[in-house]
Amino acid sequence: EDQVTQSPEALRLQEGESSSLNCSYTVSGLRGLFWYRQDPGKGPEFLFTLYSAGEEKEKERLKATLTKKESFLHITAPKPEDSATYLCAVQPRGTSYGKLTFGQGTILTVHP
Amino acid sequence: ETGVTQSPTHLIKTRGQQVTLRCSSQSGHNTVSWYQQALGQGPQFIFQYYREEENGRGNFPPRFSGLQFPNYSSELNVNALELDDSALYLCASSKGQGTDTQYFGPGTRLTVL
Repeated sequence: EDQVTQSPEALRLQEGESSSLNCSYTVSGLRGLFWYRQDPGKGPEFLFTLYSAGEEKEKERLKATLTKKESFLHITAPKPEDSATYLCAVQPRGTSYGKLTFGQGTILTVHP
Repeated sequence: ETGVTQSPTHLIKTRGQQVTLRCSSQSGHNTVSWYQQALGQGPQFIFQYYREEENGRGNFPPRFSGLQFPNYSSELNVNALELDDSALYLCASSKGQGTDTQYFGPGTRLTVL
């Protein structure tokens, strides 16, 4: 069974203090790993898709990386508006449909 | 480009009742997936619809059922509501058979009393 574990559960940063969020996964063949951002009471907002080990993607202050066992979401010089829950999800190969298995998320709070 | 929309925003039901939630997919998308998100947890896959047929299902009982219409919009029906069904229900749309990136709607908050 596919499993995703995110750490830490919660992270408090000062504005400008860079850090990383971790997503460890177990899947029988990875089709894709997805990062989403979710604000309270809203639906997840797509950030990145990573397909193979060594791949990196960037968007503004965020950079996602992928290895064979985990993914990192690096946040450089965060701002208060980056505060949200960050969700990681995996999609396995070998199925004809696109089930996503999510981790429990990391709650990021950035203080001014 | 119109994003994924869901209705209603909030819903309160009592145990044993039935509920129908609705979702309109993003323009150009033909696959709809439904997820349940309990408070403080990540979303859990309920099922996916492609070309008006269920083509994948998670570990949810048969009282969770769905439909997809020719315009790719979708409904989630839940019968015999239980207290544990209280959650945020999320709809996501994608291209192809759902293996492309899924884009989520704002969700429907269901409270079962």
